[in-house]
Amino acid sequence: AQKITQTQPGMFVQEKEAVTLDCTYDTSDPSYGLFWYKQPSSGEMIFLIYQGSYDQQNATEGRYSLNFQKARKSANLVISASQLGDSAMYFCAMRAHNGGSNYKLTFGKGTLLTVNP
Amino acid sequence: AAGVIQSPRHLIKEKRETATLKCYPIPRHDTVYWYQQGPGQDPQFLISFYEKMQSDKGSIPDRFSAQQFSDYHSELNMSSLELGDSALYFCASSLGLAGNEQFFGPGTRLTVL
Repeated sequence: AQKITQTQPGMFVQEKEAVTLDCTYDTSDPSYGLFWYKQPSSGEMIFLIYQGSYDQQNATEGRYSLNFQKARKSANLVISASQLGDSAMYFCAMRAHNGGSNYKLTFGKGTLLTVNP
Repeated sequence: AAGVIQSPRHLIKEKRETATLKCYPIPRHDTVYWYQQGPGQDPQFLISFYEKMQSDKGSIPDRFSAQQFSDYHSELNMSSLELGDSALYFCASSLGLAGNEQFFGPGTRLTVL
């Protein structure tokens, strides 16, 4: 079974600084995908970034980058130059094939990020 | 760009009533997933469809059923509603089962009184 662990229930960062949100995962599947989503207080789930288990390079999308360390089974999200609008809940999620047609996402408990002015 | 559409956005029902949630995936996306997110919880997978066939099933109660239609839209039918069914219900879509991007709709907030 897949498991995602986000050890930081809450994080604070000053505007314009960088912040790293931690995510570790566990799976026996050699092929898997890792996702990060942002959920503002309004409730929608916004896709941020994706990393495949066979990708050679760390994924980047604008101010978001994923620090993928396969041997350590970690997929930390780095947000550079934080903005007030980055304040939200952030979920790490994994998709693993699990030997069947099991392509669902398994989510961590989330990290609530607060950006201070 | 077109996104996943869910309707209704908000729904209030009484206990033991039924509810139908609708999901319209991104054009050309053939895979739909349903998730349930309780208050202060992470989303939990309910069920998924690929090319109109059920592809996976999670912790979906027997009181719930779902299907995907020929135009790829999907409906989640919920009967004998309970207070514990109050949650945010998300639909997500992707291109293929192993799509690199799984895009979520805005969610339907169901309140059972």
